[in-house]
Amino acid sequence: VQLVESGGGVVQPGESLRLSCAASGFTFSKYGMHWVRQAPGKGLEWLAFIRYDGGIEYSADSVKGRFTVSRDNSKNTLYLQMNSLRVDDTAIYSCAKEHFYGSGSPYFFDSWGQGTLVTVSS
Amino acid sequence: EIVMTQSPATLSVSPGDSATLSCRASQSVSSSLAWYQQKPNQAPRLLIYDASTRATDIPARFSGSGSGTDFTLTISSLQSEDFAVYYCQQYHNWPPLTFGGGTKVEMK
Repeated sequence: VQLVESGGGVVQPGESLRLSCAASGFTFSKYGMHWVRQAPGKGLEWLAFIRYDGGIEYSADSVKGRFTVSRDNSKNTLYLQMNSLRVDDTAIYSCAKEHFYGSGSPYFFDSWGQGTLVTVSS
Repeated sequence: EIVMTQSPATLSVSPGDSATLSCRASQSVSSSLAWYQQKPNQAPRLLIYDASTRATDIPARFSGSGSGTDFTLTISSLQSEDFAVYYCQQYHNWPPLTFGGGTKVEMK
């Protein structure tokens, strides 16, 4: 399993950014996927889950209405569209693979990417 | 939202000794608990799920126990590669999935 995030960078408060996660080594279209972030020196925060077919999404209240998770199974790629970014969104953003095959619900993560750093600063 | 609390924040252990890490949930999560290990500048690695099931290729020195609100990760005979931060995560009641704040296991 390989998960490689991209798209991070430095943006100003209120701006937008789209992150991508390229997946390989497993049947991407059969697994739910997650986004998780980690602020510098802090713990882990789950952000969002999308079902294997993209038909169901769940997200944390801290990003609901601002962040949108999506996927393109034809490209084996997961996305996170981040709008109205705030200073406290500064973190390393990682995608993670759901453990259970064909699950429509989020459980836990058996593979993670290295993450991409998003810095929100004026 | 279920709040996960880990203790202690830091655990100083000598190589070869055992380490006991605690995770407490603000309400019952049944056995829906996972443990992860994270080393500096690395992605987390799944160690344990369903409170006590070792993930693929995880050494037997890692064991998990507990149910309801109180959980324990035990690392027996600590190896040098085991010094890391450990996180628990509940998946009983979501969204959101929630993590504990982590326990850093450092060399004594």
